[in-house]
Amino acid sequence: GESVGLHLPTLSVQEGDNSIINCAYSNSASDYFIWYKQESGKGPQFIIDIRSNMDKRQGQRVTVLLNKTVKHLSLQIAATQPGDSAVYFCAEDAGGTSYGKLTFGQGTILTVHP
Amino acid sequence: NAGVMQNPRHLVRRRGQEARLRCSPMKGHSHVYWYRQLPEEGLKFMVYLQKENIIDESGMPKERFSAEFPKEGPSILRIQQVVRGDSAAYFCASSPLQAGSNEKLFFGSGTQLSVL
Repeated sequence: GESVGLHLPTLSVQEGDNSIINCAYSNSASDYFIWYKQESGKGPQFIIDIRSNMDKRQGQRVTVLLNKTVKHLSLQIAATQPGDSAVYFCAEDAGGTSYGKLTFGQGTILTVHP
Repeated sequence: NAGVMQNPRHLVRRRGQEARLRCSPMKGHSHVYWYRQLPEEGLKFMVYLQKENIIDESGMPKERFSAEFPKEGPSILRIQQVVRGDSAAYFCASSPLQAGSNEKLFFGSGTQLSVL
C-alpha cells in the first residue's frame, strides 16, 4: 500500500545549528502534507503544513520544502534550540472524503546538544 | 479554550478485560479521529467519527474494537477482551470541519494502555 517514510531515524545537532529532517512519500496523488512534533508523553503538535500546489512554505524558524518530482518532503529548523528536541513526523492526508485520515511516517528523533 | 482532553492518561488492564478510552474534543469541534501508536512507530489511523456517525473505520480491527461519538458526551473507544498486543498509546484528534480543508487536526495527550 501507499506509505510515508523517513530516511534517517535519528539526528543530533548542536544548539544554534540548522536542522533538516527528510521524508519520502509514495502516493503521488497526495495533496496535503503536515509536519508534527511529538515530545515524550505528549500528543503530536502541529508545526507546519503544505499543499501540493506549493513547493515551499515558511513559518517561524521552520520551513517545509516539497519536491513532487521525487516525492520528497523536508523540514528545516533554523537556529535549533534544546527545546526542539523531540520526535518529528511527516504525515500525508489521504484527501477526498477522508480528510484527517493521516498516514504518518516512522519518525525522526532530533536531539539538540547545548 | 481547552484542548482535546483524553482520559485516563494511563490505563492498566489484565488480559480479557475491557478498556474504555474517552475523548472530549475541543469546544466547537464535531469531527473526531482516533489513532494508535506502537512504541517507536508513527501513529496509525483507526476511525473517523462525526456526531452520532462513523464516517470511516477502515483502520479499526474488525473484532473487539468499537467507537462511538454520541450527541452528548465524549467519544469512546472501547476494546473488549484486551490482549497484550493492544498495549499502545491511543490518541484522539478533533477538528471543526473536515481536516485538510484549511482546518488542522488538534491532538490530545493520549491514553497509554498497558495490558498485563
